[in-house]
Amino acid sequence: GNSVTQMEGPVTLSEEAFLTINCTYTATGYPSLFWYVQYPGEGLQLLLKATKADDKGSNKGFEATYRKETTSFHLEKGSVQVSDSAVYFCALSNNAGNMLTFGGGTRLMVKP
Amino acid sequence: SQTIHQWPATLVQPVGSPLSLECTVEGTSNPNLYWYRQAAGRGLQLLFYSVGIGQISSEVPQNLSASRPQDRQFILSSKKLLLSDSGFYLCAWNLGGGASGYTFGSGTRLTVV
Repeated sequence: GNSVTQMEGPVTLSEEAFLTINCTYTATGYPSLFWYVQYPGEGLQLLLKATKADDKGSNKGFEATYRKETTSFHLEKGSVQVSDSAVYFCALSNNAGNMLTFGGGTRLMVKP
Repeated sequence: SQTIHQWPATLVQPVGSPLSLECTVEGTSNPNLYWYRQAAGRGLQLLFYSVGIGQISSEVPQNLSASRPQDRQFILSSKKLLLSDSGFYLCAWNLGGGASGYTFGSGTRLTVV
């Protein structure tokens, strides 16, 4: 079956530090991959996605590249801000179905 | 444009009381609808999903139930709440097809006391 594994948090960084949150997956076929962000007390928002191998999704300074050879979709940002503090979820969708499979989430805390 | 509404935003209920959470989607037809629960500091647990009116699939056996009385309405219910039902409940929708992802509602924070 499908599964998504994320690095456990919390990840604590100082403002302007470089961010990497690791995400690896197991899936049959060629899934679509997503990163969602959840700010405190809110629902999840789509941050970025990639639908085929070697695609790079990007948004708000975040980016992630779909690496089929390593089954990974790591989230990166060159310079984090306090406002980036949130929980980040990696997810995949087998394009033959409707449902997403989520990782366990990684809490990011950015200190001034 | 499509929007999703969830209410109430916050709810405090005593143990043994009933529950009804509502989710509605606007601007689309025949969406797939989902209920998730997120316990404090934990990941997402899929509770129910529906691909059409009256069609409900349950992922986790528990004292919760779901109904879809109209195409764009999804209701989560319980006859008697337990303390363990506390959590953050999220509704989501999509139109199917793997690349579309989900759109989530803003969530309901349920505290059972």
